Amino acid sequence: DQQVKQNSPSLSVQEGRISILNCDYTNSMFDYFLWYKKYPAEGPTFLISISSIKDKNEDGRFTVFLNKSAKHLSLHIVPSQPGDSAVYFCAVINYGQNFVFGPGTRLSVLP
Amino acid sequence: EAGVAQSPRYKIIEKRQSVAFWCNPISGHATLYWYQQILGQGPKLLIQFQNNGVVDDSQLPKDRFSAERLKGVDSTLKIQPAKLEDSAVYLCASSHDGQGREKLFFGSGTQLSVL
Repeated sequence: DQQVKQNSPSLSVQEGRISILNCDYTNSMFDYFLWYKKYPAEGPTFLISISSIKDKNEDGRFTVFLNKSAKHLSLHIVPSQPGDSAVYFCAVINYGQNFVFGPGTRLSVLP
Repeated sequence: EAGVAQSPRYKIIEKRQSVAFWCNPISGHATLYWYQQILGQGPKLLIQFQNNGVVDDSQLPKDRFSAERLKGVDSTLKIQPAKLEDSAVYLCASSHDGQGREKLFFGSGTQLSVL
């Protein structure tokens, strides 16, 4: 039972363009959402989060959008840089106050 | 501020052998988590400690996995005996109070290969 889905295993984007990573969740009771970034041989690092009382949160080049009715979350990176190449995990805080992670999307930003 | 420390970085064992992983969380973080990340999947929670008490171990295969957090600081995760399907990266994470709305800080992980 996948509570968090990231249907694109990989994404390639040209440097300077927008990267859009998508995430879908199953339970409308989830109310806090996060994105983590992972480089090879390192642990995931926190990137940005959003509470269900908001529909947008912005931090520099990174913006997270939340569509509660569609149970959909997206991460926009503008402009994309080669250093953004990594695996991005969507995560939710579930009713047990545990973090549940999606399977990840591998982003490649091409110079 | 020092991050979450884990050791070893890599471990290769044969099936049915035992293995142990060590984690030292960020100083002052009351909550410690062990996650298993299988290749191509997201991290999956194995066990969560609040200080030295277990909060959630519902997904820990207790017939072969055990974990402890003595004195509410360092933690060890043990697998005995290991199976082929245990090959994964084992990530330790910590957070300040584990009450939700807290971001997790992860260590670099231990990559386990079971042959």
